[in-house]
Amino acid sequence: EDKVVQSPLSLVVHEGDTVTLNCSYEVTNFRSLLWYKQEKKAPTFLFMLTSSGIEKKSGRLSSILDKKELFSILNITATQTGDSAVYLCAVRKTSGSRLTFGEGTQLTVNP
Amino acid sequence: GAGVSQSPRYKVAKRGQDVALRCDPISGHVSLFWYQQALGQGPEFLTYFQNEAQLDKSGLPSDRFFAERPEGSVSTLKIQRTQQEDSAVYLCASSFRAPLGVQETQYFGPGTRLLVL
Repeated sequence: EDKVVQSPLSLVVHEGDTVTLNCSYEVTNFRSLLWYKQEKKAPTFLFMLTSSGIEKKSGRLSSILDKKELFSILNITATQTGDSAVYLCAVRKTSGSRLTFGEGTQLTVNP
Repeated sequence: GAGVSQSPRYKVAKRGQDVALRCDPISGHVSLFWYQQALGQGPEFLTYFQNEAQLDKSGLPSDRFFAERPEGSVSTLKIQRTQQEDSAVYLCASSFRAPLGVQETQYFGPGTRLLVL
């Protein structure tokens, strides 16, 4: 059975801290791993990773994939209160288009 | 429209009642997905449409759940004889192509929060 596991499940930090969110997966026929941010509404797309070792970066957020060890990390530097959200990791297989999600990491950034 | 829209945003139903949840995908998007998100959990796949064809319904939890997309645009998820365990957020997502391109992602709507009493 396909499995996506995120850790930690929740995290509380202060503004300015750097955080690392983890996502490990066990799926057959892996195609890509995606990160989404969810703030009490629609999940919004952050990154898609298909190749190992290539960092994707957008402002203070960055992510990288390790296909050998079957995990990905999402880094957020200089956190702001607006970063408070649930961060979802999802995997897509080569067959089909559905996504398999992890439970999410609830990040709270306090001022 | 600019994004995926869903209605209603909130629905309270009495146990045993039938409900219908609507999804308007981004105009021109061929692929449409429904996901169920229980409180504190990640979304779980329910079903997938390519235009009007329902190509995958393996995630529907029981025969009380039924989805349709008769004209290949708007989709409706119907839940018959609702149970308390059906309480969740129902998310709809769409994508331009089918099957999705390698670098293509899904765009999500805001969801319908269903509470069954």
